[in-house]
Amino acid sequence: DSGVTQTPKHLITATGQRVTLRCSPRSGDLSVYWYQQSLDQGLQFLIQYYNGEERAKGNILERFSAQQFPDLHSELNLSSLELGDSALYFCASSVGSASGSRNEQFFGPGTRLTVL
Amino acid sequence: GDSVTQMEGPVTLSEEAFLTINCTYTATGYPSLFWYVQYPGEGLQLLLKATKADDKGSNKGFEATYRKETTSFHLEKGSVQVSDSAVYFCALSERTSYDKVIFGPGTSLSVIP
Repeated sequence: DSGVTQTPKHLITATGQRVTLRCSPRSGDLSVYWYQQSLDQGLQFLIQYYNGEERAKGNILERFSAQQFPDLHSELNLSSLELGDSALYFCASSVGSASGSRNEQFFGPGTRLTVL
Repeated sequence: GDSVTQMEGPVTLSEEAFLTINCTYTATGYPSLFWYVQYPGEGLQLLLKATKADDKGSNKGFEATYRKETTSFHLEKGSVQVSDSAVYFCALSERTSYDKVIFGPGTSLSVIP
């Protein structure tokens, strides 16, 4: 158990809908990272937050957004869902630092999103 | 941009066989290199890492050596067990910050008794 929790474990929805994925980092970790894992694209970095502020952006679509709350949990919002958004979405956390983390990322178990 | 290439799987081995999973990278700077493992139904876990040329990372019987001259970081284990069945990801990040990690496509390993 990495200490990172993600809810829900599975999500099935229809095209055009909007969903929210939730992540609680390990106690004491300030950085949260979101990744998308799909068969055709592999594991893609989406976005990182550090202590409530957006730190880095990767291959995140404009239909997707995220935020990190004062209690450090994070939510990833996916809207206008398309079939191609079906994937495993992982959250990871690390201690982090203002100048860039030199610490390992710990991954949660993931949320499997199926868009029908 | 930076990228990681791994040998294609799936790889199937008998228990106690020798394992090699090849990994090569392309990077503009001087990266840190990692191997992550993903067991069925779980998230990724860091298996080992190396931060400079000729460093050897090791953990749980797995080893990988940072070869700058060949831009490689091959994963090896002398004797695999059924419990090693998983997907293995080679990855890199900037040397000074592990915030943005670039992963390879993953190599699925199945070990049969």
